[in-house]
Amino acid sequence: AQSVTQPDIHITVSEGASLELRCNYSYGATPYLFWYVQSPGQGLQLLLKYFSGDTLVQGIKGFEAEFKRSQSSFNLRKPSVHWSDAAEYFCAVETGGFKTIFGAGTRLFVKA
Amino acid sequence: DAGVIQSPRHEVTEMGQEVTLRCKPISGHDYLFWYRQTMMRGLELLIYFNNNVPIDDSGMPEDRFSAKMPNASFSTLKIQPSEPRDSAVYFCASRPGLPGTDTQYFGPGTRLTVL
Repeated sequence: AQSVTQPDIHITVSEGASLELRCNYSYGATPYLFWYVQSPGQGLQLLLKYFSGDTLVQGIKGFEAEFKRSQSSFNLRKPSVHWSDAAEYFCAVETGGFKTIFGAGTRLFVKA
Repeated sequence: DAGVIQSPRHEVTEMGQEVTLRCKPISGHDYLFWYRQTMMRGLELLIYFNNNVPIDDSGMPEDRFSAKMPNASFSTLKIQPSEPRDSAVYFCASRPGLPGTDTQYFGPGTRLTVL
């Protein structure tokens, strides 16, 4: 069955520290992969997407993600976290057709 | 562009009442999606439309839920009668094209509370 796993329900990092949010997916074919961010009371905003080509993709707000087919992973990274990055982050896989499967989300807390 | 517009932003109603949520997609987008977000189930796709036609409504939880898209710029999600377990945030999203070519753009959501 198709699924997306974000193993960390929440993560706390210090401001200025690096960040990596994990995402693993289960899908038989090459997936279309996304990371979204949701601030409290807001909708989902696209951070970055992978369709094909270079497996390291750059997104907005200084985020990047790397697609690793052998590990079925699409981890999100940022070299230096800002307090404004505190939010919930969702990894998503678009399967055949228009079905998008979202992970359960990882809530990021940033401490001063 | 104003983005995807949803109204109301918050809705509080009593069990048994009819609830109508509204969505205006981004102009020119051919696809419209309705999602529900809850703590227990996360983000779930309820239904999506292509060129105003419902394509897949397999995510609609039960007959109390219905969705329409009378024209390219407006869609509604109706719950009748509403129940406390329908309390959730409902998102509308639209996209311009096919998978692998673009992504969805989400509205701010409607937070529904059924007492």
